[in-house]
Amino acid sequence: AQKVTQAQTEISVVEKEDVTLDCVYETRDTTYYLFWYKQPPSGELVFLIRRNSFDEQNEISGRYSWNFQKSTSSFNFTITASQVVDSAVYFCALSEADAAGNKLTFGGGTRVLVKP
Amino acid sequence: GAVVSQHPSRVICKSGTSVKIECRSLDFQATTMFWYRQFPKQSLMLMATSNEGSKATYEQGVEKDKFLINHASLTLSTLTVTSAHPEDSSFYICSARTRDLTYEQYFGPGTRLTVT
Repeated sequence: AQKVTQAQTEISVVEKEDVTLDCVYETRDTTYYLFWYKQPPSGELVFLIRRNSFDEQNEISGRYSWNFQKSTSSFNFTITASQVVDSAVYFCALSEADAAGNKLTFGGGTRVLVKP
Repeated sequence: GAVVSQHPSRVICKSGTSVKIECRSLDFQATTMFWYRQFPKQSLMLMATSNEGSKATYEQGVEKDKFLINHASLTLSTLTVTSAHPEDSSFYICSARTRDLTYEQYFGPGTRLTVT
């Protein structure tokens, strides 16, 4: 069975600080997909990134960067120079590439509070 | 592209009544739709997976007679909460997957159900 663990339940930072969100996953599949979503107070999930298990390249998108390490089953997310608008709950998720609908398993989420 | 809508966005109903939530893929055909439930300050939990034209597959612990799911077309899935009780109050989110194999799910904005 697949499992996603986000050990940090809440992180509070002051604007312009960097913040790193940890994500550790468990799966028996060799082919799988990892995701990060942002959920602002409005509730709507915002897709941030998808990464497949064969692509370990780190990625940077603006102030966001992701570090995927299969050796430690981790897919960490860093927000550089945080802003108040980054305040939200962030979810890491895993999907195994089977034929049964590719269910997403979510981590518990990390609430990020960026103070001005 | 890949927009998913939900209706209504908020609903309040009395205990014992039934309420229907619609999930529509607006600009693509969704072979598979997923229904999630999210209690306050918790993660998203998958309730069921529905494929167009077939019966939904429910996750363990989800009562299929209480949460009726219908996926009658490639653009519409409905979730009916029957005989609602206050403990059913939650944020219900649907997602839709396209025919391709990107394994990406597109999420609706969610429906907040309050049962009084």
